[in-house]
Amino acid sequence: SQQGEEDPQALSIQEGENATMNCSYKTSINNLQWYRQNSGRGLVHLILIRSNEREKHSGRLRVTLDTSKKSSSLLITASRAADTASYFCATVPNSGYALNFGKGTSLLVTP
Amino acid sequence: EAQVTQNPRYLITVTGKKLTVTCSQNMNHEYMSWYRQDPGLGLRQIYYSMNVEVTDKGDVPEGYKVSRKEKRNFPLILESPSPNQTSLYFCASSPGGTGDSPLHFGNGTRLTVT
Repeated sequence: SQQGEEDPQALSIQEGENATMNCSYKTSINNLQWYRQNSGRGLVHLILIRSNEREKHSGRLRVTLDTSKKSSSLLITASRAADTASYFCATVPNSGYALNFGKGTSLLVTP
Repeated sequence: EAQVTQNPRYLITVTGKKLTVTCSQNMNHEYMSWYRQDPGLGLRQIYYSMNVEVTDKGDVPEGYKVSRKEKRNFPLILESPSPNQTSLYFCASSPGGTGDSPLHFGNGTRLTVT
């Protein structure tokens, strides 16, 4: 069942700007993961944040998690045209082990 | 190179003609899963497997079968495909089945059923 819901559905920015995407979910989670998908290709894992973590960094990526609000955000700093892709959040509920994906945010970075 | 390999990449078939989409991973992963991706619906899980000979239904298993006879392979079988199974299919694997480790995805199989 789909649990994560990304916002916005689509985002268009210029190179060098920061991009922020949000994810909201409904039930308690074990962890939350972010994935990137280039058009028509397989998803690529970006970062995993556990329910007892509040913030995590990986290169130009910063992920936050607020379990009290059941939300997460993905920040891409100093965006590049190559960051153009769809971004998905996926949650693992406490009661199970299947990853539940949201519908994604489509990011367009123009030179 | 560590990877998940799906075949074929593209497949056009007719209603009712049985087909199999193969998936193989070379990372010795325990967990494997199939997803379908449709516009406006995102990714939905079809079946998953925690280990050899252990499979279970995901959210949309109707019309699909899977088998896990070996750790590395997890084929998806459509016994009698219908047009509503036209979709982009992804196989994925991960080391553990708890969802505590990231999924590695194949490059997808675009299936069209006429």
